[in-house]
Amino acid sequence: SYVLTQPPSVSVAPGKTAKITCAGDKIASKSVHWYQQRPGQAPVLVIFDDFDRPSGIPERFSGSNSGNTATLTIRGVEAGDEADYYCQVWDSSSGQIYVFGSGTRVTVL
Amino acid sequence: EVQLSGSGGGLVQPGGSLRLSCAASGFTFGSYAMTWVRQAPGRGLEWVSTLSADGRSTYYAASVNGRFDISRNNYRSTLYLQMNRLTVEDTALYFCAKDDTDSGLDSHLDYWGRGTLVTVSS
Repeated sequence: SYVLTQPPSVSVAPGKTAKITCAGDKIASKSVHWYQQRPGQAPVLVIFDDFDRPSGIPERFSGSNSGNTATLTIRGVEAGDEADYYCQVWDSSSGQIYVFGSGTRVTVL
Repeated sequence: EVQLSGSGGGLVQPGGSLRLSCAASGFTFGSYAMTWVRQAPGRGLEWVSTLSADGRSTYYAASVNGRFDISRNNYRSTLYLQMNRLTVEDTALYFCAKDDTDSGLDSHLDYWGRGTLVTVSS
């Protein structure tokens, strides 16, 4: 089955830039999507198709995908960005068609 | 505004059954695939099942295949998940989510419900 690997945690000071990686075999050949889950809330889509933002998501959120690593970048981090972030791809090579990364906890210092 | 409201969760004994529902509004329900995702306490997101818009194509995670049954009523804009032979490993918050496509293939989940809690315990 296809595996996505994320760092367990990332810490960042307010106003700085947070980068969250998502590693997978030849991930650049897939579309990567990112979800934000604040404590006690449902996930929210923040990036789809590698770098597109849904309406209502601030431009501070951006995505990229190259080689074996996709990256979610949050510029000008705010306290409200403190959350768990999950990457996701769709994989037809195994029975697990929706594949989620293990999640990264972003802590705003 | 898209709204997804899950219900039907609760406490059930191992080996028991439960049926979850997800009432949808704010979009043309019958035009989109729908998905269930679960999250065990303190853990990450785990895909459970996806159903195409027309209800003809179903997909299940290996961990639930043969025990869970996904279905939908497009006239009532409602998604269901029948869960049988439950085990303690099925204990989780169950989210329903809207797919971005009608097939559920090569898709992402653009709207999520708030989740309904299933606890399997004796």
